[in-house]
Amino acid sequence: DAKTTQPPSMDCAEGRAANLPCNHSTISGNEYVYWYRQIHSQGPQYIIHGLKNNETNEMASLIITEDRKSSTLILPHATLRDTAVYYCIVRVNSGNTPLVFGKGTRLSVIA
Amino acid sequence: ETGVTQSPTHLIKTRGQQVTLRCSSQSGHNTVSWYQQALGQGPQFIFQYYREEENGRGNFPPRFSGLQFPNYSSELNVNALELDDSALYLCASSLVRGGGGELFFGEGSRLTVL
Repeated sequence: DAKTTQPPSMDCAEGRAANLPCNHSTISGNEYVYWYRQIHSQGPQYIIHGLKNNETNEMASLIITEDRKSSTLILPHATLRDTAVYYCIVRVNSGNTPLVFGKGTRLSVIA
Repeated sequence: ETGVTQSPTHLIKTRGQQVTLRCSSQSGHNTVSWYQQALGQGPQFIFQYYREEENGRGNFPPRFSGLQFPNYSSELNVNALELDDSALYLCASSLVRGGGGELFFGEGSRLTVL
């Protein structure tokens, strides 16, 4: 079973920041937080991951609370193409550990 | 584009038949994993291959089997198809060097079992 809890759906206005929350209160010390998204009829796409420090790349920022029990994925300027299901996953960063997907958050970016 | 290609993209089978799905990994990747995604659900892990050996399996029966070839391409075989096997089957490749790597997914093969 997935070890994360996410809201089933969210809306965001185009051009505004999209903040997607994730609760992972049972996360272990050696587990990373990963975010993937899945645009309709496509395979999941890696976005970002982190252990305890905040991370930023060209797609998004990941903010992890100090106690690591929750995190927020931030898309700074959402576009219509960001409409997708976003999955938050906790995973030990070892070679044979699979991704355990929950149902994710369906983000709808509205013009 | 992830460099992971899957075939066929769509196929229809009848109950009891067998199916083979194929995946070509991203160049240089040594690990491939397969996931099943039912409608409205997140992907579920089937199994993973590393250097041609299965090294992890989810809660799927033995009629789901796989192969990884020396060039790191892969096959997923499903025997005795059931209606509930209708799903999107996703292949993901990664480069594992000690620690885990980012997974790159293909677009999937959509299987319909009638």
